[in-house]
Amino acid sequence: QVQLVQSGAEVKKPGASVKVSCEASTYTFTDYYMHWVRQAPGQGLEWMGRINPKSGGTNYAQKFQGRVTMTRDTSISTAYMELSRLTSDDTAVYYCARAYIIGLYGFGYWGQGTLVTVSS
Amino acid sequence: SVLTQPPSVSAAPGQKVTISCSGSSSNIGDNYVSWYQQLPGTAPKLLIYENNKRPSGIPDRFSGSKSGTSATLGITGLQTGDEADYYCGTWDSSLSAGMFGGGTKLTVL
Repeated sequence: QVQLVQSGAEVKKPGASVKVSCEASTYTFTDYYMHWVRQAPGQGLEWMGRINPKSGGTNYAQKFQGRVTMTRDTSISTAYMELSRLTSDDTAVYYCARAYIIGLYGFGYWGQGTLVTVSS
Repeated sequence: SVLTQPPSVSAAPGQKVTISCSGSSSNIGDNYVSWYQQLPGTAPKLLIYENNKRPSGIPDRFSGSKSGTSATLGITGLQTGDEADYYCGTWDSSLSAGMFGGGTKLTVL
């Protein structure tokens, strides 16, 4: 069974950065894009971007351009999402997600979510 | 959200409900649509992919369709356990970005 296991909850101060990891298992890590989606408290889902684990190429949502960096380490099948210059509006649960089928946008597999709290 | 969903829908147990998702030619009009169910405190769950296909384990009470720049999720034989938030999602070819609808809260009265 495909598993995506994320790092634990974080508390950060405004202006800081946070880096969330997502370890993939039981599939070939480089075959599927890894996407990052966030959800602020009581709000909807928001797509942040994706990384091609094979090439390292990325696409970011315009809203996060210049503030988000997605990377990967293929040796340990792990993707990372780093968000900088945090504000209270970045308080949210951050998910990594993988397509159900290769090449498809539909996310059949999700990490358990990582709560990032930004507070002074 | 670029994809427009009604904020809420409701129906009685056993009845049918539909949830709409409206977009544009560069997103829904040019790409497959997926639908997700999210129960409180849990990660979203894929209900429909490629407009109308169900992943294994998803009952046929859930169906999806797409026409032009709109998509619809249908749920028949409503159960109290179906109370959740539902999201549509797709890719936007012009933006090269993913997107979700704002979400629809389903209440089973």
